[in-house]
Amino acid sequence: AQSVSQHNHHVILSEAASLELGCNYSYGGTVNLFWYVQYPGQHLQLLLKYFSGDPLVKGIKGFEAEFIKSKFSFNLRKPSVQWSDTAEYFCAVNALNFGNEKLTFGTGTRLTIIP
Amino acid sequence: SQTIHQWPATLVQPVGSPLSLECTVEGTSNPNLYWYRQAAGRGLQLLFYSVGIGQISSEVPQNLSASRPQDRQFILSSKKLLLSDSGFYLCAWSHRDRGSNSPLHFGNGTRLTVT
Repeated sequence: AQSVSQHNHHVILSEAASLELGCNYSYGGTVNLFWYVQYPGQHLQLLLKYFSGDPLVKGIKGFEAEFIKSKFSFNLRKPSVQWSDTAEYFCAVNALNFGNEKLTFGTGTRLTIIP
Repeated sequence: SQTIHQWPATLVQPVGSPLSLECTVEGTSNPNLYWYRQAAGRGLQLLFYSVGIGQISSEVPQNLSASRPQDRQFILSSKKLLLSDSGFYLCAWSHRDRGSNSPLHFGNGTRLTVT
């Protein structure tokens, strides 16, 4: 079975700081990887995804994530955060060709940006 | 465009009372539908998913049940609530035929407190 670890439960940064949220997964086969975000008062939504190809994936709002297969990691990054990035971020993994019913989510990282 | 409606937004119910949470999707046909529970520090846990009318798969044994009486309607129920049923419940949909290529689209959630 697959699992996802997000070791940072709550991250607090000042505006313009650089961001990296960790995500490690456990699965022996080929995977699809996702980051979902939930802004305050809004629904959970897809931020970016990796299926194949370039391991550096660009998402919305300047976010990117890098898939490092040897480290089983899919860390989320942003060079300069804004106050509006305050949200909860969830990493998720799915085995290749599996449906969404097999998607495994991490426990989430709450990001607080201080103006 | 597609929209997902979930209600009520908040609910306080006594132990032993019944539960009915409703979710409807508009603007798409034959969606896959999902019920998740989000608990603090525990991420998103898939409770039920459905690939068609009357077709329900349960991921974890529990005090809850789900039904899909219409193509775009998904209902989460309980005959007798337990204190442990308290939590944040999310409904989601995805395109049926695209597997993980179709991201999950979440509703705004229902905060259930069992007293």
